[in-house]
Amino acid sequence: DSGVTQTPKHLITATGQRVTLRCSPRSGDLSVYWYQQSLDQGLQFLIQYYNGEERAKGNILERFSAQQFPDLHSELNLSSLELGDSALYFCASSVGGTREETQYFGPGTRLLVL
Amino acid sequence: AQKVTQAQTEISVVEKEDVTLDCVYETRDTTYYLFWYKQPPSGELVFLIRRNSFDEQNEISGRYSWNFQKSTSSFNFTITASQVVDSAVYFCALSKTSGTYKYIFGTGTRLKVLA
Repeated sequence: DSGVTQTPKHLITATGQRVTLRCSPRSGDLSVYWYQQSLDQGLQFLIQYYNGEERAKGNILERFSAQQFPDLHSELNLSSLELGDSALYFCASSVGGTREETQYFGPGTRLLVL
Repeated sequence: AQKVTQAQTEISVVEKEDVTLDCVYETRDTTYYLFWYKQPPSGELVFLIRRNSFDEQNEISGRYSWNFQKSTSSFNFTITASQVVDSAVYFCALSKTSGTYKYIFGTGTRLKVLA
């Protein structure tokens, strides 16, 4: 158990809908990362937040957005969903968000868009 | 451009055999980080190792060892005396140490260890 929690574990929705994925980092970790794992694209870094502020952006679509709240939990919002958005979405956390730090991954949220 | 290639899609070995997973990377950066992650059948990603490009020393952790060779842009992972519990997908990744944050994963190698 990494100490990172993600909810929900599974999500089934329809095209065009909007969903919110939630992540709680390990206690004391200030940085949260979001990743997408799909059959087509493999594992991709989406975005990083550090202490409430966006720190780095990867291959995140404009239909997707994220934020980190004062209690350090983070939410990833996916809107206007398409079939291709079906994937496993991971959240990871690290202490300070510097590049050499170990990232601890949550169990993931499996999203299925029908 | 940065790229990570894991040419071995799937490897099957019998328990107690040694197995090496290959990782070849491309980058124009002079400094970078390399990583290995394990994704067991349960699905979570588990960090295994991080290597700074400055440090070309090989590393050993129990049955796991890593061979970093800058000359061939490779960061290979060897499991000695493999066990069934080693069955997983293993990912190699590359990260910049500065500038625009980029974290690139390889496509993964599925390792099956047969009893």
